[in-house]
Amino acid sequence: QVQLVQSGAEVKKPGASVKVSCKASGYSFTGYYLFWVRQAPGQGLEWVGRINPSSGGTDFAQKFQGRVTMTRDTSISTAYMELSRLTSDDTAVYYCARTSGSWSSDYWGQGTLVTVSS
Amino acid sequence: QSALTQPASVSGSPGQSITISCTGTSSDVGAYNYVAWYQQHPGKAPKLMIFDVSNRPSGVSNRFSGSKSGNTASLTISGLQAEDEADYYCSSYTSSISYVFGTGTKVTVL
Repeated sequence: QVQLVQSGAEVKKPGASVKVSCKASGYSFTGYYLFWVRQAPGQGLEWVGRINPSSGGTDFAQKFQGRVTMTRDTSISTAYMELSRLTSDDTAVYYCARTSGSWSSDYWGQGTLVTVSS
Repeated sequence: QSALTQPASVSGSPGQSITISCTGTSSDVGAYNYVAWYQQHPGKAPKLMIFDVSNRPSGVSNRFSGSKSGNTASLTISGLQAEDEADYYCSSYTSSISYVFGTGTKVTVL
């Protein structure tokens, strides 16, 4: 069965960087895009960007340009999202999600809570 | 890119039908048929309910249906059940290879 398993919760200080992983199983890792979506406490969903695991190509929401990096390791079917220059506004649950060509996400990871606090 | 506009809350009694609207612009909802709807229960990951405006993934109840007119998409839940109480988010592809979610709607079953 399709599964996306994310790395555990992180606590970071302002100005630091965080790297979250998303390990895929149960399907062809290179056959689907992966979205990264975040949700601040009590708030709505926010699209961070996407990666094409086959080519490594990426697209990011404008507000994260220059601050986010998305990579993948096809040998272990794992994608990574790194966010730098963290502020308290980056405190959120970060999700990875398998996404089809119709820009809809049918399988989601369990989420990774990133807390930014001094 | 601004979030798509949804009502903050919608409520209904068991068995009734409710509709959630999702208003965008001619650069997102109005321009593409890549509108999706997600259900999210507290503390859980979102679940895909509708894709490509009106298509249901396998396993999603046919009580959920989607449509679009101009810049506004809609999700209708018919035969409302207690388990439908959750937050619902619409989403859309936008120009410039980007993606946007709606502001979210809390559905309450009275």
